[in-house]
Amino acid sequence: RKEVEQDPGPFNVPEGATVAFNCTYSNSASQSFFWYRQDCRKEPKLLMSVYSSGNEDGRFTAQLNRASQYISLLIRDSKLSDSATYLCVVIFISGGYQKVTFGTGTKLQVIP
Amino acid sequence: GAVVSQHPSRVICKSGTSVKIECRSLDFQATTMFWYRQFPKQSLMLMATSNEGSKATYEQGVEKDKFLINHASLTLSTLTVTSAHPEDSSFYICSARGILAPGTETQYFGPGTRLLVL
Repeated sequence: RKEVEQDPGPFNVPEGATVAFNCTYSNSASQSFFWYRQDCRKEPKLLMSVYSSGNEDGRFTAQLNRASQYISLLIRDSKLSDSATYLCVVIFISGGYQKVTFGTGTKLQVIP
Repeated sequence: GAVVSQHPSRVICKSGTSVKIECRSLDFQATTMFWYRQFPKQSLMLMATSNEGSKATYEQGVEKDKFLINHASLTLSTLTVTSAHPEDSSFYICSARGILAPGTETQYFGPGTRLLVL
């Protein structure tokens, strides 16, 4: 089983739609979780951290389910500019060593 | 503005030459720096993790003698691709982890370096 798994998509959704992505992780001791956005041929950019209590930033909502070991990202009222690849990131820290693992990304295409 | 810079942004070199890529954290001290490689249409693959003043920790399958990492200060890390070959052509991205605001530690990415080995 991969350490971090995402559905590669693509998810093709119309403007204004709500879309959700999940990301599962295998290490139950993982401590930090993030969603990054990567545009074509660009570097990843932090979209939002994922907190245990869930967090919302405008149209974006991130949630963590430790029992089932997955994080989710919900995008409401999709915009054309939301088209990108969304990467989940899981961080595990042990003995001063930090391991950062990226998912392969989920591609979102918002259609006019 | 960008909090992590990379230089050069693009490099074309002949097979057999060495290429050095610099990664700098701007306005913050990076406790840890990471080097990633991304081939077209693939995810980021971590190559190595480095802490200032200590040897880098390489991921399995990454040759430490080929990809030399120097983390000389809390704001600078360099990756040298030695004796580059066409299969080393890729998008190399550095990332710096540090504290920009109290209580928040975040990982920021450089803009990447496109390496093309002819």
